[in-house]
Amino acid sequence: AQSVTQLGSHVSVSEGALVLLRCNYSSSVPPYLFWYVQYPNQGLQLLLKYTTGATLVKGINGFEAEFKKSETSFHLTKPSAHMSDAAEYFCAVSDFDQGAQKLVFGQGTRLTINP
Amino acid sequence: NAGVTQTPKFQVLKTGQSMTLQCAQDMNHNSMYWYRQDPGMGLRLIYYSASEGTTDKGEVPNGYNVSRLNKREFSLRLESAAPSQTSVYFCASRDIVPDTEAFFGQGTRLTVV
Repeated sequence: AQSVTQLGSHVSVSEGALVLLRCNYSSSVPPYLFWYVQYPNQGLQLLLKYTTGATLVKGINGFEAEFKKSETSFHLTKPSAHMSDAAEYFCAVSDFDQGAQKLVFGQGTRLTINP
Repeated sequence: NAGVTQTPKFQVLKTGQSMTLQCAQDMNHNSMYWYRQDPGMGLRLIYYSASEGTTDKGEVPNGYNVSRLNKREFSLRLESAAPSQTSVYFCASRDIVPDTEAFFGQGTRLTVV
């Protein structure tokens, strides 16, 4: 079964600074990878996904992530943080197990933006 | 387009009470899922239904049962609630193709006292 590890349960950056949220996965097959965002008291919303092709994936709200097979990583970045980016972020991998497709999530990273 | 709808949004139960969380999706997805979210633990899969008529246990199924009523609806039942089941519950649906995203409901915040 696949698994996902997000390094850092809390990340704090200043407004305008670089955002870097780390995600590593374990997979025995080429993975399908996802980043989701959860704003307070809401459900999860897709930010971006990697399936095949270009390893640098662009998502909504200026976020992007790079798939690095050699490092088994899929880190999420944004060049300049905005106050509205404060949320919890989840990395996930698609796992085919026992005849069904599932999404396996990391532990989540709470992003705080300082004015 | 409603997407995934969960009811109720909030619930307080006393230990030992039972309740059913309802979920419906209008995207004609084959697969549906129930997750629970606890601080520092991400989302953990409780039960899933790969297609209409099938259900299977996920990572943390103890204390829960599910019913896939039809293609649209997937309910989660707590037969005898315990304080350890205090959590936020999310229903999700997804197409069967592995590179597609899952769509989530707004969540049910459950407190068991």
